[in-house]
Amino acid sequence: ETGVTQTPRHLVMGMTNKKSLKCEQHLGHNAMYWYKQSAKKPLELMFVYSLEERVENNSVPSRFSPECPNSSHLFLHLHTLQPEDSALYLCASSQDGIRGFSTDTQYFGPGTRLTVL
Amino acid sequence: GQQLNQSPQSMFIQEGEDVSMNCTSSSIFNTWLWYKQEPGEGPVLLIALYKAGELTSNGRLTAQFGITRKDSFLNISASIPSDVGIYFCAGYNNAGNMLTFGGGTRLMVKP
Repeated sequence: ETGVTQTPRHLVMGMTNKKSLKCEQHLGHNAMYWYKQSAKKPLELMFVYSLEERVENNSVPSRFSPECPNSSHLFLHLHTLQPEDSALYLCASSQDGIRGFSTDTQYFGPGTRLTVL
Repeated sequence: GQQLNQSPQSMFIQEGEDVSMNCTSSSIFNTWLWYKQEPGEGPVLLIALYKAGELTSNGRLTAQFGITRKDSFLNISASIPSDVGIYFCAGYNNAGNMLTFGGGTRLMVKP
């Protein structure tokens, strides 16, 4: 599935850096998601945007700041991260999002492999 | 939060063997999805199930939505080396529209 793209694919940053992850979906979907995938842990939902409105924030530390300027683009701004934030960050999109019925299939991007030194 | 129990956690099989994995929950689910994730990539949707008892195939893959609506199964027939990856179940329950994921089954296939 190439409908969801993410950049960069790999990122190494120091704890004092500020960086941003970008996600773009070409599927005409209304909802976008950020997930964190750490080794040996289930996928953790971080944020959900539906029609550019944030509808879910799963107790994510404030050093992660999402931005959804339109229904096709989603950003995750990172600042003063910790080494334990190193993980694969996955973006996904779906047709209806939070307002849809529970048949809303999510399509994932390839992820950004983040390493915090 | 809501958890899905996926088993086995890993499997190491010989090429040509059939594979079975399952996902269970303590609550009722309305939708079951099965994804495959290869190294360095995001999960890719394999099969979606929307009705209790539904049996759906995608090539050598077959998945079933359990009658109790609390479980789902994925079978892979005649495995090949490119089946290697992590298989995730996911689902929506009655409580809301947030997708819940299982912990994954890591499949390794020996040629």
